[in-house]
Amino acid sequence: SAVISQKPSRDICQRGTSLTIQCQVDSQVTMMFWYRQQPGQSLTLIATANQGSEATYESGFVIDKFPISRPNLTFSTLTVSNMSPEDSSIYLCSVGGGGEKLFFGSGTQLSVL
Amino acid sequence: SQQGEEDPQALSIQEGENATMNCSYKTSINNLQWYRQNSGRGLVHLILIRSNEREKHSGRLRVTLDTSKKSSSLLITASRAADTASYFCATEMGYSTLTFGKGTMLLVSP
Repeated sequence: SAVISQKPSRDICQRGTSLTIQCQVDSQVTMMFWYRQQPGQSLTLIATANQGSEATYESGFVIDKFPISRPNLTFSTLTVSNMSPEDSSIYLCSVGGGGEKLFFGSGTQLSVL
Repeated sequence: SQQGEEDPQALSIQEGENATMNCSYKTSINNLQWYRQNSGRGLVHLILIRSNEREKHSGRLRVTLDTSKKSSSLLITASRAADTASYFCATEMGYSTLTFGKGTMLLVSP
């Protein structure tokens, strides 16, 4: 199992600013995943973060908008850059997969005014 | 892309009743998983069922998988108010990333 500490839990931001979300895992993991959940919607994978290499982004998501860092095997950050109201969502980090279950952080509820 | 579609979108029942949610998907999968989300927070894993399995149980939860129909169901028996949450199915092809469905919102009234 894995325990993930994600912060902040929520934030209200002004458009044009950036927010960095942090996830700390209690064990070393190869891959970390970042998801976005728009209001009333399902989870959409933003990118997969591997330690020591560039993150792999899904279609529709770009590094300039969602830069990701993965400095070691227990930590990752996702930055939401130059925010607009359309970025208001819940952002979730997770670990696991590869034929097994995912463990999720508690989520960051972002509101952009 | 591969995606599970849950049915119904919303379900309202009384405590003690059973709740059944269904998930359909489009192509062959390695496994299908069910997750619960309370109040828009992090998801909690409930059950993973592999493509060569037909049924799994965990406490009050029962999951079935019919690969010929590309569908799965989640049954919660003797529901409680604390079961109120959104439930998502997620499918995995090979050993790739999970793709989540749109979810079923379950409301259990006392």
